[in-house]
Amino acid sequence: KQEVTQIPAALSVPEGENLVLNCSFTDSAIYNLQWFRQDPGKGLTSLLLIQSSQREQTSGRLNASLDKSSGRSTLYIAASQPGDSATYLCAVSGSSNTGKLIFGQGTTLQVKP
Amino acid sequence: DAGVIQSPRHEVTEMGQEVTLRCKPISGHNSLFWYRQTMMRGLELLIYFNNNVPIDDSGMPEDRFSAKMPNASFSTLKIQPSEPRDSAVYFCASSFFGQMNQPQHFGDGTRLSIL
Repeated sequence: KQEVTQIPAALSVPEGENLVLNCSFTDSAIYNLQWFRQDPGKGLTSLLLIQSSQREQTSGRLNASLDKSSGRSTLYIAASQPGDSATYLCAVSGSSNTGKLIFGQGTTLQVKP
Repeated sequence: DAGVIQSPRHEVTEMGQEVTLRCKPISGHNSLFWYRQTMMRGLELLIYFNNNVPIDDSGMPEDRFSAKMPNASFSTLKIQPSEPRDSAVYFCASSFFGQMNQPQHFGDGTRLSIL
């Protein structure tokens, strides 16, 4: 059974710092991995999607990497801003390409001005 | 693009009552997902549909839960009878399912409180 773990559960950093959020999964047979952002009282917003054949994806100040063999992904946020404060979740889909996602518990990030 | 629309945003009801949550997916999307989010268990997939057909309902906790998708633009999640442990935020998401998975787009959720 696929399990997704995110460490740390919470993180507080000063504005401007570069930071890395970690995600690990137990079954390397995945179709893709997605990173989402969730603001309080809101739904999830997709940030980056990495297909299993890819190693990384970039969008603005965000960079996500994927190492399938070791069951790990990282989300790198450059030059963090207070507006980046949110909960970040990673999710993996199984190799059978059903669209079904298994989520981690998330990392809650606070960026202090 | 109006996004995924869920209603109601908040629902407070007494134990034993029937609860119906509604979702309108993004036009053109052919996959629809229902999730439940709690502090203890995080985000759990309850059921999902492809082309209006339920594909996997293994996450539906009990027979008290049922979901329908009568057409491509509407889905419901029903709980009957409701219990206090059903209190959670319920999310609906949609995506285009094809050769390459596309990101799932989430609604803002329904916060359900069962007293």
